[in-house]
Amino acid sequence: DAKTTQPTSMDCAEGRAANLPCNHSTISGNEYVYWYRQIHSQGPQYIIHGLKNNETNEMASLIITEDRKSSTLILPHATLRDTAVYYCIVRANSNAGGTSYGKLTFGQGTILTVHP
Amino acid sequence: DGGITQSPKYLFRKEGQNVTLSCEQNLNHDAMYWYRQDPGQGLRLIYYSQIVNDFQKGDIAEGYSVSREKKESFPLTVTSAQKNPTAFYLCASNDRRPNSPLHFGNGTRLTVT
Repeated sequence: DAKTTQPTSMDCAEGRAANLPCNHSTISGNEYVYWYRQIHSQGPQYIIHGLKNNETNEMASLIITEDRKSSTLILPHATLRDTAVYYCIVRANSNAGGTSYGKLTFGQGTILTVHP
Repeated sequence: DGGITQSPKYLFRKEGQNVTLSCEQNLNHDAMYWYRQDPGQGLRLIYYSQIVNDFQKGDIAEGYSVSREKKESFPLTVTSAQKNPTAFYLCASNDRRPNSPLHFGNGTRLTVT
């Protein structure tokens, strides 16, 4: 799986958009970009994932550059409860039974602090 | 509500004792996983299971054992052979759809003294 690079920490004002960048310059054509977040002492929470098109759900938007070498997770209106560690993960397409099925490699992530 | 339940939240054991961590899911997911997280570090995969009665070693399986006798249950035993057992243990699951995201439990913090 491709390696990702994220800033160690970021700050955001409450109510503003939080834009979390992720570099994955060695990404392969069949690798998806996943985002999770982890609030202290809890399990990671799935946010969103995508291949090459921009994606949006009720939690966030994922913008993937045309060359797919980087992506940005956007929390449109950050709240204090969005303070967490955000993980960007790249993983190859996998079906049940494959050797990489479901396996995710979590790095250090970005500590996002939302302040009043 | 569907989800993954890990129990207990906190667990304390003396060195040299085996301990079993519970993980139950009612999401009807086929695959289940155990990860370990140490302070300031990312998650590392211990074991995973794609179907009942089958499981594979992850990246750091030494000193651990698992069983998968039922689809909804995937207990992890931390044996006395694990040299650094104190950690935060996370269980996860997903279904058979391609690229299905993992759903995590809220973890068990094990302290061995």
